[in-house]
Amino acid sequence: GDSVTQTEGQVALSEEDFLTIHCNYSASGYPTLFWYVQYPGEGPQLLFRASRDKEKGSSRGFEATYDKGTTSFHLRKASVQESDSAVYYCALSESGGSNYKLTFGKGTLLTVTP
Amino acid sequence: DAGVTQTPRHEVAEKGQTIILKCEPVSGHNDLFWYRQTKIQGLELLSYFRSKSLMEDGGAFKDRFKAEMLNSSFSTLKIQPTEPKDSAVYLCASSLGGTSAEQFFGPGTRLTVL
Repeated sequence: GDSVTQTEGQVALSEEDFLTIHCNYSASGYPTLFWYVQYPGEGPQLLFRASRDKEKGSSRGFEATYDKGTTSFHLRKASVQESDSAVYYCALSESGGSNYKLTFGKGTLLTVTP
Repeated sequence: DAGVTQTPRHEVAEKGQTIILKCEPVSGHNDLFWYRQTKIQGLELLSYFRSKSLMEDGGAFKDRFKAEMLNSSFSTLKIQPTEPKDSAVYLCASSLGGTSAEQFFGPGTRLTVL
């Protein structure tokens, strides 16, 4: 079945550091890829998505590019802030058919210290 | 617009009890999802409904977990009987449906089973 792998379980950075969270996927078709962010005490919320090869998704300074060749959708931000501290989930939605469930990675806890 | 509502926000149960968690999706959304969230496993899909029809019932959770959607604006998740390993956050999400559709999550119910 489909799967999503996030390499980093936890990332600890200082403010203004560069962030990369790696996401690789395995899917039989051509999935839509998502990044969700979850703040303490809240449910996950969509950061952005991408549906086509080479499409870049972006929001709030975060960005990721859909790479079908390397089956990756790595999350990056040039300069993190303390307010970015949260759990980040990479996810995919199957292509075609009528099943619109999401397959999530295990999540990456980002902690940013001032 | 009202988002996804979940009640209660916190639940404490004794082992062996029956508990019922409630969810009200975003008005007009066709798809509804129940997830379990733990630090170790991350987000695990429990059930998925489309227009009140059960599309997927997470295999590992079938024996004691039962989700129902009696109408388009209300869903319940029953756990019977509860076990200490069921302690987790239970999240409900809804979406319009479609491969690229955003899932909107509620704040979750934190269940503690003693």
